[in-house]
Amino acid sequence: GENVEQHPSTLSVQEGDSAVIKCTYSDSASNYFPWYKQELGKGPQLIIDIRSNVGEKKDQRIAVTLNKTAKHFSLHITETQPEDSAVYFCAASNRDSSYKLIFGSGTRLLVRP
Amino acid sequence: SQTIHQWPATLVQPVGSPLSLECTVEGTSNPNLYWYRQAAGRGLQLLFYSVGIGQISSEVPQNLSASRPQDRQFILSSKKLLLSDSGFYLCAWSRTRQASYNEQFFGPGTRLTVL
Repeated sequence: GENVEQHPSTLSVQEGDSAVIKCTYSDSASNYFPWYKQELGKGPQLIIDIRSNVGEKKDQRIAVTLNKTAKHFSLHITETQPEDSAVYFCAASNRDSSYKLIFGSGTRLLVRP
Repeated sequence: SQTIHQWPATLVQPVGSPLSLECTVEGTSNPNLYWYRQAAGRGLQLLFYSVGIGQISSEVPQNLSASRPQDRQFILSSKKLLLSDSGFYLCAWSRTRQASYNEQFFGPGTRLTVL
């Protein structure tokens, strides 16, 4: 079955710097890769996703890239702000098991003011 | 627009007591529904998912059960809670199996503490 690995587990950056979180997946049939942001005590919020037919997607300060050959995808946050501090989860799913998302273990991002 | 509700928001229960957590979704029909558990500082563990009324699939053998009595209602239950059942329980929904991509949307969660 699918396995998703996420790195780093913690990331501390200065406000205004960029942050990059990386994930790798094992199942080449995976075709959908969402990213979630979870603030303390809240449910995860879908912030951006990418489908296997594109290599990059951008939404204001956040972007996601996908390398299908290497089976990895990354979240990029530019001009970080203190409110970006949260735990970020990547996930993957494919048509064959379309009911399930396989999640990475999470990255705790701290943006220092 | 779609919204997902969970209650209660927090719950403290003694070991051996029963449990019932409820999740409801508004603004969509025939959603896929999911229950996840998140231990403190950890990732998301899928417990159950449902593609329709009365259709429940269990991912992890455990002390819990799930039911879907109505299209947009998903209930997580236990007859006797264990200490290890403590955690943050999240309900999620996604569009039907006809959707090509599994965008899942999470509820606010229920924090359960078993003492």
